Amino acid sequence: NAGVTQTPKFQVLKTGQSMTLQCAQDMNHNSMYWYRQDPGMGLRLIYYSASEGTTDKGEVPNGYNVSRLNKREFSLRLESAAPSQTSVYFCASIDQGKVQYFGAGTRLSVL
Amino acid sequence: GDSVTQMEGPVTLSEEAFLTINCTYTATGYPSLFWYVQYPGEGLQLLLKATKADDKGSNKGFEATYRKETTSFHLEKGSVQVSDSAVYFCALSDWQSFQKLVFGTGTRLLVSP
Repeated sequence: NAGVTQTPKFQVLKTGQSMTLQCAQDMNHNSMYWYRQDPGMGLRLIYYSASEGTTDKGEVPNGYNVSRLNKREFSLRLESAAPSQTSVYFCASIDQGKVQYFGAGTRLSVL
Repeated sequence: GDSVTQMEGPVTLSEEAFLTINCTYTATGYPSLFWYVQYPGEGLQLLLKATKADDKGSNKGFEATYRKETTSFHLEKGSVQVSDSAVYFCALSDWQSFQKLVFGTGTRLLVSP
């Protein structure tokens, strides 16, 4: 009964380094999402994937890329990390009742 | 565009006090409304939802009623517990936005014994 699993849980990067945040769900959901959470700003949508093979930009896509590898997995890549990307990142998937299920998050610091 | 406004926190209460967290929304369509809760160090989890006007969502003693006339979805609980300390997010999902959630900024609730 894993739900949505994110790795890693914590990461520290230097400016300019790259990394990929992994997300997998075992609920057979079609749609998946990546959000970032910053103090006082709630959650903001970075990218989403309506179904396997499709991805679309959300509210704050600049500096990020995504890959919907298969129905289960949706990864988020930072090609050249910047201090402004220091945040907590959440992956989510959605069921037919419009309820989103969230992972535990990845805390990223960019120095 | 769609937006959600919720009261700023933190809200500090004593155990067994009455809780209200205000939430109002702006949407062009007919949104579904949600309250999510985030406990320290965890992701968000659904607390309750309502999909049409006058619906009441409820769970774990929390309630919220979808008020279309006032575009509100206030969260209430009659008697809070220390274990309710968390951050609460109001959110909406409009059918036109392909199930994307628009979140409020969150309200931190602190309950003391």
